[in-house]
Amino acid sequence: GENVEQHPSTLSVQEGDSAVIKCTYSDSASNYFPWYKQELGKRPQLIIDIRSNVGEKKDQRIAVTLNKTAKHFSLHITETQPEDSAVYFCGRDTGNQFYFGTGTSLTVIP
Amino acid sequence: DAGITQSPRYKITETGRQVTLMCHQTWSHSYMFWYRQDLGHGLRLIYYSAAADITDKGEVPDGYVVSRSKTENFPLTLESATRSQTSVYFCASSGAGANYGYTFGSGTRLTVV
Repeated sequence: GENVEQHPSTLSVQEGDSAVIKCTYSDSASNYFPWYKQELGKRPQLIIDIRSNVGEKKDQRIAVTLNKTAKHFSLHITETQPEDSAVYFCGRDTGNQFYFGTGTSLTVIP
Repeated sequence: DAGITQSPRYKITETGRQVTLMCHQTWSHSYMFWYRQDLGHGLRLIYYSAAADITDKGEVPDGYVVSRSKTENFPLTLESATRSQTSVYFCASSGAGANYGYTFGSGTRLTVV
């Protein structure tokens, strides 16, 4: 359907560990998959995105992987730091409309 | 990010009143969007606009009206506010279309009493 399933809803990791957030979708017309980070009381900001013709994309400690066959994509954060603590939203886009997941609250414990 | 601004930042209104939230962007982005953010629901699309004078419904349009007479402005009006419309409202814009990243405004926290 239209929704994007995002898991987990909350995630706590020790500083320096990795964090993985997964999103699944069912609409095969989806061709763009961004990830947004929202710190408390602030606006969501785009941190990384991937298009349907790419399987993986990295930007320093952040990476996104896409499995089109299984219709899921994941955000990977390595060497987590306290400033990574925030709510992360995945999204999917068909070119006409855009849907967000319900968010994952990530807490990095110093 | 200063290129997209929302006003007011905070608003308290009474049930049944009409209220308009403003959104202005300086990039001449063609696409603009209105989302509401509620705990447990994430971000839900209310309306979007692909260009001036072109608007379309999103996931939760009931009770809202939008207009886009100029590319840079995309106001959202609650015709008769209800308590269920208490939320944080985010405006966003995108230059190339829906399948490129958005830039969000700072949000408007609306409380309907």
